[in-house]
Order: sequence, then C-alpha cells, then structure tokens
Amino acid sequence: DARVTQTPRHKVTEMGQEVTMRCQPILGHNTVFWYRQTMMQGLELLAYFRNRAPLDDSGMPKDRFSAEMPDATLATLKIQPSEPRDSAVYFCASMTGLGQPQHFGDGTRLSIL
Amino acid sequence: KNEVEQSPQNLTAQEGEFITINCSYSVGISALHWLQQHPGGGIVSLFMLSSGKKKHGRLIATINIQEKHSSLHITASHPRDSAVYICAVRSGSDKIIFGKGTRLHILP
Repeated sequence: DARVTQTPRHKVTEMGQEVTMRCQPILGHNTVFWYRQTMMQGLELLAYFRNRAPLDDSGMPKDRFSAEMPDATLATLKIQPSEPRDSAVYFCASMTGLGQPQHFGDGTRLSIL
Repeated sequence: KNEVEQSPQNLTAQEGEFITINCSYSVGISALHWLQQHPGGGIVSLFMLSSGKKKHGRLIATINIQEKHSSLHITASHPRDSAVYICAVRSGSDKIIFGKGTRLHILP
C-alpha cells in the first residue's frame, strides 16, 4: 500500500534551534498539505501546495515558518527559530486532486523545550 | 462561535449500538470531510462529501447543504470503532476548517 512518509517521527530540541520536517507524498499525488494538531487548538491547516506551487499558507506564522516543495517527491516544513509554543504533532497529507480523499502521514511529534 | 461545530464532544456506547455524530457549519463549502483519528494518533480520511450520502461498510455519511449539516453514522458499533471523529470543511475560499472532534468510546 502506498503511504505518505514523514520524518522524523519524533523530535525534541531546545528553543531557538532550527527544525526541519520532511514529507514524501504518495507518488502521483499533486496536492500536499501541512497540518498542525495541538490539544488546545485541534487540527489546523498550515499550508498546502498543488503541483509544487504554494496555494495557501495563511495558517502559518510567516516570521518563523516556511514550507517548500523542492521537487514532487519532497515537501519540507521549517521552523526557525523554534519556540515552546510550536510543540505539536505536524501532519502531512497528499491527494491526487480535487474531489479525492486525503492520505495522511503518521505525523511528526515535535517538542520544543 | 466556531465555524464548524461537532456534537457530541464525547460519546460512550455499548457494542452493537447505532452511533450518530453531527457536524454543523456556518460557512459556504465546496466539500466536507470526515476523518478518524485512532488512539495511536494516525488519521484516516473516511469520507469526502459535497452532496447526498455515502456508505462504506458500517459507516454512512450524509450531508444537507441547505441546512449546513452533516452526520456520520456507525451501524453495529464495535470497540475497534473507538476513536476521535473529526469533521472538516473546505470553504468557498479554499480554506480548510476543522471541528474539535467527537471522542467515541465503544464498550464491549
């Protein structure tokens, strides 16, 4: 079964450090989403891409977060500098196009000390 | 007021019971998703709806666009259905808005 792969699964680091999370979407999926889940806020959309072009990143704090798709097989989400309030589970999801279901990765559990 | 409201927040039921989870939204939408998140944290997309009704196994999802309401039903519920069920809508401006989720616990 094809899967969305996220790395790392867990990350613990000190505040101020740069954090990079990676996502390999399912081959052939042209739409990629980044979500964040916290106990307080639940799930939130941070950004999404279609055909590698960013379509919406309004959910992302622009001063410290950046999302890119260097190629069709890799999406990255970077936080620099990280802060304790960034602690959350970050999910990546991909889909083939409009009207299709999203396939979620297992998430990256991030803890900023 | 949240743009996507789910009810109930928590639900405990006996195995075999018919389960209904509700989702109401206040924005115009192009699609509505039902997601399932298991205790381990993994998220699975159950349904995507823009009108009518869909069925997959023991799960049924309906949507009423005029009333801005969707329901997720589980027939013959089983302990393995225990999970958090999340409603999410894609608004007309392409924004995705999530409900807070319904935590379902099915007792054997």
